[in-house]
Amino acid sequence: GAGVSQSPRYKVAKRGQDVALRCDPISGHVSLFWYQQALGQGPEFLTYFQNEAQLDKSGLPSDRFFAERPEGSVSTLKIQRTQQEDSAVYLCASSLGITGEQYFGPGTRLTVT
Amino acid sequence: AQSVTQLDSHVSVSEGTPVLLRCNYSSSYSPSLFWYVQHPNKGLQLLLKYTSAATLVKGINGFEAEFKKSETSFHLTKPSAHMSDAAEYFCVVSDVKTSYDKVIFGPGTSLSVIP
Repeated sequence: GAGVSQSPRYKVAKRGQDVALRCDPISGHVSLFWYQQALGQGPEFLTYFQNEAQLDKSGLPSDRFFAERPEGSVSTLKIQRTQQEDSAVYLCASSLGITGEQYFGPGTRLTVT
Repeated sequence: AQSVTQLDSHVSVSEGTPVLLRCNYSSSYSPSLFWYVQHPNKGLQLLLKYTSAATLVKGINGFEAEFKKSETSFHLTKPSAHMSDAAEYFCVVSDVKTSYDKVIFGPGTSLSVIP
């Protein structure tokens, strides 16, 4: 079976543009996480979904960030009016249950110019 | 609140020599602890996980880690480094206040292996 996939792998946006990042988790995985990884740092938690329910969005840095998982599978992270400080790698991870190993996708590298 | 400190931002070893990557955590509870590895242009991969069972945890690729509560440490070791071990390593602690595995990553240690 395929692992977690993310698209696009690379995204360049001009400041002020909106972007949408997609995550396809492993089929049947209940939990889905989004992380932001700045250059030279560890990933930081953004938000958590259990099926279609967004149970925790405490890590979203501003109201410009929005995530959804409407059917409990594919998830989209949307960033409105991108700023230079949004430049980072955005990682998606899924896990089979509420706890357990998280399987990470390759990430989307966002560069805001 | 939980936190993780990785004492070395970069470690360099010769091929065939032991590897030691240090990690200290801060937690008000008995945490779950993990080590993840990130190879360039690849996704993060779980190396091993501690969840209050045996304090010495064996992982993939010959890595192991020992949980020492008195020292609040969870150092990662490997007896003999291989070139393929060169990567970024993250120590991770779970936030046990949540019902799901909300985790906190350390800043990472970059491991270089010299031929």
